[in-house]
Amino acid sequence: DADVTQTPRNRITKTGKRIMLECSQTKGHDRMYWYRQDPGLGLRLIYYSFDVKDINKGEISDGYSVSRQAQAKFSLSLESAIPNQTALYFCATSAPGLGGYTFGSGTRLTVV
Amino acid sequence: QQQVKQSPQSLIVQKGGISIINCAYENTAFDYFPWYQQFPGKGPALLIAIRPDVSEKKEGRFTISFNKSAKQFSLHIMDSQPGDSATYFCAATPGAGSYQLTFGKGTKLSVIP
Repeated sequence: DADVTQTPRNRITKTGKRIMLECSQTKGHDRMYWYRQDPGLGLRLIYYSFDVKDINKGEISDGYSVSRQAQAKFSLSLESAIPNQTALYFCATSAPGLGGYTFGSGTRLTVV
Repeated sequence: QQQVKQSPQSLIVQKGGISIINCAYENTAFDYFPWYQQFPGKGPALLIAIRPDVSEKKEGRFTISFNKSAKQFSLHIMDSQPGDSATYFCAATPGAGSYQLTFGKGTKLSVIP
């Protein structure tokens, strides 16, 4: 099983719909992140969480919300999806001092 | 304001050649510089990383060169292979355990036989 699992892998949704992307991890890491990847723009941080009671906005949080249901689970919601939210979304985890992030395989979201 | 500038956007190298990807940063508080490799359909994976107290770090065919005074660092892939074809991201953060990992925009490397 993957260390960081994202579901669904692919999703097509309509404008205005609410959608949730889920992430679970078996790394035992406290820190979890949601990134968005767009061609030519790299990876941009949407939200991050250091523990269950800690949620922080990243660079591009507008239009998104998150929930940290447990140490191992971090979900991203689009309350009312719009076409420019079409992108590849990645969940990642990290532990202090170790330096590296572990990324999931991503969710490709298309908003039509 | 883009804090980590990466170039080139795309790179084509022949098998056996050297691939070079460059990054420059502005924030002098950055002190940890990882490189990530991403294959199609996969998430980025940590490839190699460097701290500014050394000028070079080598792991197999992959080498990071770091120039603190110029605020630049680069990834060299020696003897490039078709299996190295991927997108590479440089990144920087003020501390190895920091939440604030800032990525470059990525370089798509194609190694042709």
